[in-house]
Amino acid sequence: EVQLVESGGVAVQPGGSLRLSCAASGFTFDDYNMHWVRQAPGKGLEWVSLISWDGGIRYYADSVKGRFTISRDNSKNSLYLQMNSLTSEDTALYYCVKARGHYMDVWGQGTTVTVSS
Amino acid sequence: QSALTQPASVSGSPGQSITISCTGTSSDVGGYNYVSWYKQYPGKAPKLMIYDVTNRPSGVSNRFSGSKSGNTASLTISGLQAEDEADYYCNSYSSSSTRVFGGGTKLTVL
Repeated sequence: EVQLVESGGVAVQPGGSLRLSCAASGFTFDDYNMHWVRQAPGKGLEWVSLISWDGGIRYYADSVKGRFTISRDNSKNSLYLQMNSLTSEDTALYYCVKARGHYMDVWGQGTTVTVSS
Repeated sequence: QSALTQPASVSGSPGQSITISCTGTSSDVGGYNYVSWYKQYPGKAPKLMIYDVTNRPSGVSNRFSGSKSGNTASLTISGLQAEDEADYYCNSYSSSSTRVFGGGTKLTVL
């Protein structure tokens, strides 16, 4: 069974940092690009970042560029999101998502990040 | 990276058909055949319903169909059922190789 399990979401103060992790199983992880997508409470989906299968290409939404860094460790079947200079606008449920072609075919259950003083 | 435009809500009676629109620009929806649609129940992760404008993944009902004209993509659900009540989001590849979602549409089955 294809599975994505996110972790690392906690409450953090504004200006703080956090690293999210996503453990992948049930598929050949290093064959696929991966995304992070977030959803603020009561709001819609927002694409955050994409990393290529080998980690060599990374893209970011303007709202997180320069503050967030996506990375992966194919030896550990894991995806990461390093989040710095956090603000209340970053409060959201963060989903790890498997890419297939130009769409997103498998979603994790998400991990919650709360930025508050 | 402006969000794609979707109606906030649509509704229909069981058995009817509804269409949800998703409007972008020539830099995203209009420029590529890479529009996908996702269904999300409250408190649950999104589920892929349509990819590459018109394609249905295995296991998705043929009551769901997608199309595109110019800068606007559409999701049509025919033979509405109570289980179709959910939030629906469109997504498109963008010229900057990023992705962009629509604001989401709440479908109510009357």
